[in-house]
Amino acid sequence: SQQGEEDPQALSIQEGENATMNCSYKTSINNLQWYRQNSGRGLVHLILIRSNEREKHSGRLRVTLDTSKKSSSLLITASRAADTASYFCATDEGETSGSRLTFGEGTQLTVNP
Amino acid sequence: ETGVTQTPRHLVMGMTNKKSLKCEQHLGHNAMYWYKQSAKKPLELMFVYNFKEQTENNSVPSRFSPECPNSSHLFLHLHTLQPEDSALYLCASSQLLRGRGTEAFFGQGTRLTVV
Repeated sequence: SQQGEEDPQALSIQEGENATMNCSYKTSINNLQWYRQNSGRGLVHLILIRSNEREKHSGRLRVTLDTSKKSSSLLITASRAADTASYFCATDEGETSGSRLTFGEGTQLTVNP
Repeated sequence: ETGVTQTPRHLVMGMTNKKSLKCEQHLGHNAMYWYKQSAKKPLELMFVYNFKEQTENNSVPSRFSPECPNSSHLFLHLHTLQPEDSALYLCASSQLLRGRGTEAFFGQGTRLTVV
């Protein structure tokens, strides 16, 4: 399976509910990043969590990282219809020659009004 | 706007054509990347440039030829493509910090269709 594998592949919820997406990976990492992509457009960076961090918050977003289980989760609280998008996790081994991100296949989130 | 601009946004080309994709970043970053996003597949890293030097070619066929004339501009030259090369091509940039990864800023992508 791919480095940075998201679960579930698709998630449909009602506005106001929380959405949780999970990501698993295989190798050692320097950091893990979450991105959002609206249909057919570029990716937008949401949060970066480093390997020595366990939890990070940004507005309605909460990311956790468990390096012993090689897994991460993204929680979006009080979801809105505008949160509808694909969400990707990406692992970065952080080599000095460049941040080479390895992406998963993503979770398609649909928030129904 | 992320500070990374890609042109054109859409491109249709025949298999015998030669075209180029352009990417420009206004963020002062020192690394630029080309990614390919095909339907139902994860984003694939194609090329990495650090300080204008190519540091990675991820087993990309030679019909894709990157060029980085300076740290702000990145091109992807295309020739004799195949229909399976149809995809969204994304450019990204980041600031290299020794031993410490940073986030990437992506352009809006070029939707390429090869007919």
